[in-house]
Order: sequence, then C-alpha cells, then structure tokens
Amino acid sequence: EVQLVQSGAEVKKPGESLKISCKGSGYSFTNYWIVWVRQLPGKGLEWMGIIYPGDSDSRYSPSFQGQVTMSADKSISTAYLQWSSLKASDIGLYYCARHLDGYAMDVWGQGTTVTVSS
Amino acid sequence: EIVLTQSPGTLSLSPGDRATLSCRASRSLTSSKLAWYQQKPGQAPRLLIYGASNRATGIPDRFSGSGSGTDFTLTINRLEPEDFAVYSCHQYGGFFWTFGGGTKVEIK
Repeated sequence: EVQLVQSGAEVKKPGESLKISCKGSGYSFTNYWIVWVRQLPGKGLEWMGIIYPGDSDSRYSPSFQGQVTMSADKSISTAYLQWSSLKASDIGLYYCARHLDGYAMDVWGQGTTVTVSS
Repeated sequence: EIVLTQSPGTLSLSPGDRATLSCRASRSLTSSKLAWYQQKPGQAPRLLIYGASNRATGIPDRFSGSGSGTDFTLTINRLEPEDFAVYSCHQYGGFFWTFGGGTKVEIK
C-alpha cells in the first residue's frame, strides 16, 4: 500500500525548534516530489514548497522562504520540515503529499498539528 | 505568483443536484496544470482531477473537470450525500504553486 505517514502532534513554546517528518512507503520515494501544505484552523490550503528526495532540489513559497527548511533522507524514505525558532504564527496543520510531474498530489499524509503557545 | 479565485464561496444544494464550481487564475496556466481536491472535516485532501480534466484513480465519473487558460470548472453531477465537502483548486504550472480559497458544497 502506498502511504505517507507523518509524525505526531507537537506542542511547543515560542523560540523552540521543531522538526516534523513524513515517511513514504510502498513506492519509489526518490521518483516523486514531496510537497508541504499548511492549513490554518477553518481556513484553506497553503502551498509551502516542494522537495525532490532524489537530489534534494527544493523550491519555497515566498510566504515561507526563510521561515522553514525542507529536507529529505532518501535512505530512509523520509522528508522533513523544520523550524529553528517557532513563532505563534507557525501554528497549523501541516500536510505532506507526493507529486508526480504530469499528475498531481495523489497521496497525502494524515497531517501533523503544530501548536505554539507560551 | 498566480492567484486562484474560486466561486462561489458556498454552494447550497440538495442530493441529486448538479454542482458547478469555478476557479479563475490571474494568468494563463501552462499545460492546464490545474487540479481539484475534495476535503472533508478531519480528513486530508483527496485528489479528484488533474491536468484540468483527468479524473484521478478511483474517482466516480459524476466528477468532471474542464477549462483551459484562466478559467476552469469542476462539475459534480447528481450529488451524493458523501459529496458535501470543501473543494479546492490548485495550480502547479507556475514557478510557485498556489491553491484557491475553496468552495464549500453544503446540503440545502
């Protein structure tokens, strides 16, 4: 079965660092882009950026450039999204999804909720 | 950055009705790289349509996508109870990808 499994919910304080994960299985992890998408409570989807695990080529949305860092470890079929210093505005539900050129985001993780509160 | 504007914001319909959802891009999309997703409360989005008009695997044929350039449409024929959800369009043709704000299809 093709799936993306994300790490569990996180509760952090402002200024703390965080790294969430997205593990792929059932397919060739290095042949698909991994996309990160944020959803604020009751709001729509926001495209954060994409990374190609095969060579770690990446592209960030201007809204998230410099705010987060995407990475991938192809040896364990896992992509990561990290923050060096969380802010209250970083709260949200973060999804990863796989994307194939000529297709679209066909498989999604279950989402990771990030809460930032002092 | 390409802005996607979806309309209407909310569509109130009854089971069996036809739903017509619009997605307008701020500039023309190359190769019709436009997708539609369905999202229900507490669930991840589900791919319905890619390449503007191609149904994803396992998607019923009551869902159809059309359009090109800047104007795209998702049509749902004969709404089923499980179709009441939020629908978002997404473009992946620009250097930066974007989502529309979503259309909620609710039971009238």
